[in-house]
Formats: sequence, C-alpha cells, structure tokens
Amino acid sequence: GAVVSQHPSRVICKSGTSVKIECRSLDFQATTMFWYRQFPKQSLMLMATSNEGSKATYEQGVEKDKFLINHASLTLSTLTVTSAHPEDSSFYICSAPLTYEQYFGPGTRLTVT
Amino acid sequence: AQTVTQSQPEMSVQEAETVTLSCTYDTSESDYYLFWYKQPPSRQMILVIRQEAYKQQNATENRFSVNFQKAAKSFSLKISDSQLGDAAMYFCAYRSATNFGNEKLTFGTGTRLTIIP
Repeated sequence: GAVVSQHPSRVICKSGTSVKIECRSLDFQATTMFWYRQFPKQSLMLMATSNEGSKATYEQGVEKDKFLINHASLTLSTLTVTSAHPEDSSFYICSAPLTYEQYFGPGTRLTVT
Repeated sequence: AQTVTQSQPEMSVQEAETVTLSCTYDTSESDYYLFWYKQPPSRQMILVIRQEAYKQQNATENRFSVNFQKAAKSFSLKISDSQLGDAAMYFCAYRSATNFGNEKLTFGTGTRLTIIP
C-alpha cells in the first residue's frame, strides 16, 4: 500500500523557537496533503490543506502565521510551528489522498518547554 | 457542513465475541465515502474499511463488516471474533465524492475499544 512518512517522530523545543515537521509521500505523488492536530484522547482536528504550488487552505480558527505550510513538491509538505509555546504541544499528523483513500503519516509528537 | 457522530466513547468486548460500533452522519450530499479507521496505541491511523454511498451492498473485510443505512445516515462497524490486536480507538470518517482535490475527511469523536481476554 501507499506509504506516508513524517519526520521527526518526536521533537522537543524551547518556547519561542520554531520547529519544522516534514510529511512525505514515499511511493506516490500528492498534489494535496492534509495536516491534523490531535489532543490526547480526542479526535483528529483538520488544521489545513496543503496544496502543491499554491497557498495552503486553513481551517477556521487556525492561525496562518503560526502554522506555516509549504508544499514545495509533489511528495513533500512541511508544517512549521513558529514561535512555539507550550500550548502548541500536541500530536501532529499528516495525510495524503490516493484515489478514494487517505494515507496517514505516523505522526509527530511536539513538546514545547 | 457535514458532521459525524459517534455516541459510544468506550466499548468493551470479550475476546472472540462480536461487537458493533455506531456512527451516524449528517450530509446533504448524495455521493460520498464513509470510512472506519483504527488508531492503536502507536497512533498510526489504519484504514479498516471503506463504503461508497452509491453501493447498496455493505462492505466487508475479513472479520470487519459494516451496516450502511443511507436513508438513516447510519454506518456501524461490526467486528467478529474480536482479537486482542483489535484494541484501539476507532474513528468513523466522511469524505465527499463530489469535490475533486478537496478530499478532506470529517472525523467522528472516536470510540475506544477494549478487548477483554
């Protein structure tokens, strides 16, 4: 089946710094990728749709300037959390669609201290 | 906007028994896809089963089957012969079939399934 990777799997950063998370579709091309945030014991919350070669589409309530998304190629999307604060600590998951289905990355655990 | 509701936050079942997880959804669209995803402790999302709305026949995948009631907007998941490896969070999800390039999923709140040995 199709594979989506994420890097890093875990990251700890200091408050005020920025951190970049990469999402790659390893064996297929994806003009669209999705970024989700998941709080403990909760569902996935869609943050934004990453569009290759154009601006990302953000969901209501998601700060565009804090969560920068770049979809520079057909296999790579990046999410940069800028000026991170402890409340940004969460589990971030990306996905990429292929035909009828979505393939998910393994997720990134971000801890801001 | 579409909504997906899972009314059972937690369920438990004896190993080898059968359990049914409930899901209802609301949409004004006629063409869409429904999914059940499993999220084990590793937190990797795994597709369990998919149903196309235009198909009347319920989807099945080995021990997993669905009861799709389009008029009632109901999409339940039945797990037969439950195994310890089935323990996970299960999410019901909806995707429109009409907007190419906008294949985002709408998830329910999830049901935590515990398997009792």
